[in-house]
Amino acid sequence: KNQVEQSPQSLIILEGKNCTLQCNYTVSPFSNLRWYKQDTGRGPVSLTIMTFSENTKSNGRYTATLDADTKQSSLHITASQLSDSASYICVVSLGGYNKLIFGAGTRLAVHP
Amino acid sequence: EPEVTQTPSHQVTQMGQEVILRCVPISNHLYFYWYRQILGQKVEFLVSFYNNEISEKSEIFDDQFSVERPDGSNFTLKIRSTKLEDSAMYFCASSEVPSDSDNGYTFGSGTRLTVV
Repeated sequence: KNQVEQSPQSLIILEGKNCTLQCNYTVSPFSNLRWYKQDTGRGPVSLTIMTFSENTKSNGRYTATLDADTKQSSLHITASQLSDSASYICVVSLGGYNKLIFGAGTRLAVHP
Repeated sequence: EPEVTQTPSHQVTQMGQEVILRCVPISNHLYFYWYRQILGQKVEFLVSFYNNEISEKSEIFDDQFSVERPDGSNFTLKIRSTKLEDSAMYFCASSEVPSDSDNGYTFGSGTRLTVV
């Protein structure tokens, strides 16, 4: 079954600290992996997208990694800000099918 | 920056009633999608639409659901006879190319549907 699993479920960090979120997937055929940020009651907003051959992709303070052999990805957030408080969702595109498979997300809370 | 616009932002309807959720995709996009998110759960794919026809649909997208592009700008999701379990946030998305290669896959802000 095509699945995307994320950990931790939720995370609290202090402003200015770094954090790393994890994603494991069992999606086949794999096309690409995306990380989205979703604020409460809003639509997901794309942070990064990586294909099979890419190991890392950065977008400002966000850096995503992908290990296609172990089917794992991570999202590292550097120097967190209060506005980073949101859900971060790992999403895999199913190759050859025009749809995205979502993880449950990690709820990040950044406290002052 | 171009946006996907959804209306209404919140709709309350009685069980058994029909609802139409509306979306205006980004103007040069050719692929359109609906997803839903039940409160506290994952976002789930419902349907993709290209060239005036459904290209993929999930098992959730049964006969009570339909999609339409009635004119050059709108993309709608119709739920024929709503059930309590249809209460969810419904997201429209659009992309210029298929999700296999697209970096411009854009979601709207969603319509919160509450069935009472």
